[in-house]
Amino acid sequence: DTGVSQDPRHKITKRGQNVTFRCDPISEHNRLYWYRQTLGQGPEFLTYFQNEAQLEKSRLLSDRFSAERPKGSFSTLEIQRTEQGDSAMYLCASSFSGSSTNEKLFFGSGTQLSVL
Amino acid sequence: QKEVEQDPGPLSVPEGAIVSLNCTYSNSAFQYFMWYRQYSRKGPELLMYTYSSGNKEDGRFTAQVDKSSKYISLFIRDSQPSDSATYLCAAANTDKLIFGTGTRLQVFP
Repeated sequence: DTGVSQDPRHKITKRGQNVTFRCDPISEHNRLYWYRQTLGQGPEFLTYFQNEAQLEKSRLLSDRFSAERPKGSFSTLEIQRTEQGDSAMYLCASSFSGSSTNEKLFFGSGTQLSVL
Repeated sequence: QKEVEQDPGPLSVPEGAIVSLNCTYSNSAFQYFMWYRQYSRKGPELLMYTYSSGNKEDGRFTAQVDKSSKYISLFIRDSQPSDSATYLCAAANTDKLIFGTGTRLQVFP
C-alpha cells in the first residue's frame, strides 16, 4: 500500500489524558498536512510541514496541540490534556510541492478521537 | 464569512439523474480547485483537480471553474447509488487547501 497511512484508526481517551497520532505520508511527498474534521463539517486546516520544517499553524490551534515531523518523513500529532471538544476525525494528507506547484493533497483514512 | 462556501444539502436524486454541486469562494488568490469525495468514516478521496477557468471532464464527472464570479461546480452524469457520499470542494493558493462544508448526496435506485 503506497497511500497515506494513519495510526491508530480509532482512539478513545478520558478527558485530561494525552494522545498521540502518527501519519506516514506517500514516500516521495515533501509536504505533510494535518486537518481536523467534525461531523457535518469540511476538514479544517491545523498545520503543515515542508520536509521537516513546520511552515504554518492555524491560529485556531490551541497550544495543547503540537506536531513534529523529524527527518521529514512520518509525522506525529500530540494533544495534551484532552478536552471533550477535541473529539473529531484527525486527517493527515501529503503532497509534492515543486517548482510548478501542484497542490494535489492525498488523504489518509483518519484517526477518530473520542474524548469521554 | 468562510473563504469557501458550500450548500450542505442533503441532496437526494434518483439513479441516472444529472447532479450539480456548487461552491463559491471569496479569496481571489486561490489558483487551484479540487473536488473530493468522502464516504462515511473514510478520508477524502481526490476526484477532480483544476487550475484554470473552464471545464475539465473525467468520465461521468465534469468540474467547472469560473474565476470571474468565483464559482466552482461539479457535475455528475448518469448518477449511480455508489455515488452516494459527501462531496467536498476545496481551493488553494500555493499552500494549504481550504474546504467547504461538504454536500451530502444520496442517489436512490
